[in-house]
Amino acid sequence: AQSVTQPDIHITVSEGASLELRCNYSYGATPYLFWYVQSPGQGLQLLLKYFSGDTLVQGIKGFEAEFKRSQSSFNLRKPSVHWSDAAEYFCAVGSPLGGGNKLTFGTGTQLKVEL
Amino acid sequence: DVKVTQSSRYLVKRTGEKVFLECVQDMDHENMFWYRQDPGLGLRLIYFSYDVKMKEKGDIPEGYSVSREKKERFSLILESASTNQTSMYLCASSLVRTSGPREQYFGPGTRLTVT
Repeated sequence: AQSVTQPDIHITVSEGASLELRCNYSYGATPYLFWYVQSPGQGLQLLLKYFSGDTLVQGIKGFEAEFKRSQSSFNLRKPSVHWSDAAEYFCAVGSPLGGGNKLTFGTGTQLKVEL
Repeated sequence: DVKVTQSSRYLVKRTGEKVFLECVQDMDHENMFWYRQDPGLGLRLIYFSYDVKMKEKGDIPEGYSVSREKKERFSLILESASTNQTSMYLCASSLVRTSGPREQYFGPGTRLTVT
């Protein structure tokens, strides 16, 4: 069964600082990988996705993520954080082999941005 | 843009009541999903549907049922609401894909309080 671990429950960064949110997955092959963001009181919005090709993926709002097969990781990065990036971030994994098109989500990382 | 709407943003119900949460998507997606979101637990799949009148149990189906009579509408039913069902409920939809990532599109959520 696939699983996702987001080891950081809370992260605080200063505005303008760089950001890296960690995501590790467990799956027998290369899965489909996603990062979503949830602003307070809102649903989830897709930031970016990976399924093959270039291991560095660009997303919306200036975010990028790098797939590292050797480390089973798909960490999310942003070079300079803005106060509006404060939100909860979820990593998710899907199976390329079917599985009903379901996704498995991590428990989320809450990002706080200090001004 | 894909739009997923949920019938209520906030709902307060009493223990033992039958509760209906409605979700509608406007992009002709085959798959629809119901999740509950609780702090520290991330998103947990309750049920999903891959076609009209078709459904499968997710990870936590106990105490819930679903109905999908039309492709665009997916309802979550709490047969007899209990206080431990107080939570944020998120609906999502996606296309059926035989290859490529199957991102899900989310509604804004319904925050249900059972007293």
